[in-house]
Amino acid sequence: AQKVTQAQTEISVVEKEDVTLDCVYETRDTTYYLFWYKQPPSGELVFLIRRNSFDEQNEISGRYSWNFQKSTSSFNFTITASQVVDSAVYFCALSEYKTSYDKVIFGPGTSLSVIP
Amino acid sequence: DARVTQTPRHKVTEMGQEVTMRCQPILGHNTVFWYRQTMMQGLELLAYFRNRAPLDDSGMPKDRFSAEMPDATLATLKIQPSEPRDSAVYFCATSGGSDTQYFGPGTRLTVL
Repeated sequence: AQKVTQAQTEISVVEKEDVTLDCVYETRDTTYYLFWYKQPPSGELVFLIRRNSFDEQNEISGRYSWNFQKSTSSFNFTITASQVVDSAVYFCALSEYKTSYDKVIFGPGTSLSVIP
Repeated sequence: DARVTQTPRHKVTEMGQEVTMRCQPILGHNTVFWYRQTMMQGLELLAYFRNRAPLDDSGMPKDRFSAEMPDATLATLKIQPSEPRDSAVYFCATSGGSDTQYFGPGTRLTVL
């Protein structure tokens, strides 16, 4: 069965600190996608990244970076030099080829508060 | 800047009333999803369409919920009659074949 776990329910950091959001997934499929979405206080879900199961290269986009490790079934997200605008709920998600890429399973989310 | 549009953004209604939520997909996106978000259940997939045809509505309470796509630029989610337990944020998301879903701003529904 597919499952996404985000063990950190809430995190608070002081501005300019680095923070890592953990994501652990379960799947029996060898072909799948992993995603991160951001939900700021305004409520809209914003797509951040998609990674397919065959690409374990780490990704960096500005202050954001993602570490995908199949050996530990993890897809962690790091924000470097956090800013107040990073305060949001972050969702990790998974979709499998066998089940259908349309069926995206979302984790429970991690609420990040960046304190000025 | 292509975005998914949802209306209304907020809706307060009384129990028993009909509620209709609308979604305009990103131009060219042929797959439309409806999700419900609550504190208790998180994000749940209710139903989705591809090329206007319903593919899966197994997550949707059939007795009171209905979803349609009258045309390629409009998807609707209707609740009749509404109940307090339907209070949630309803999201529309669309994808254009890249297997990535782009979400609208949501409709926050409160049923009194």
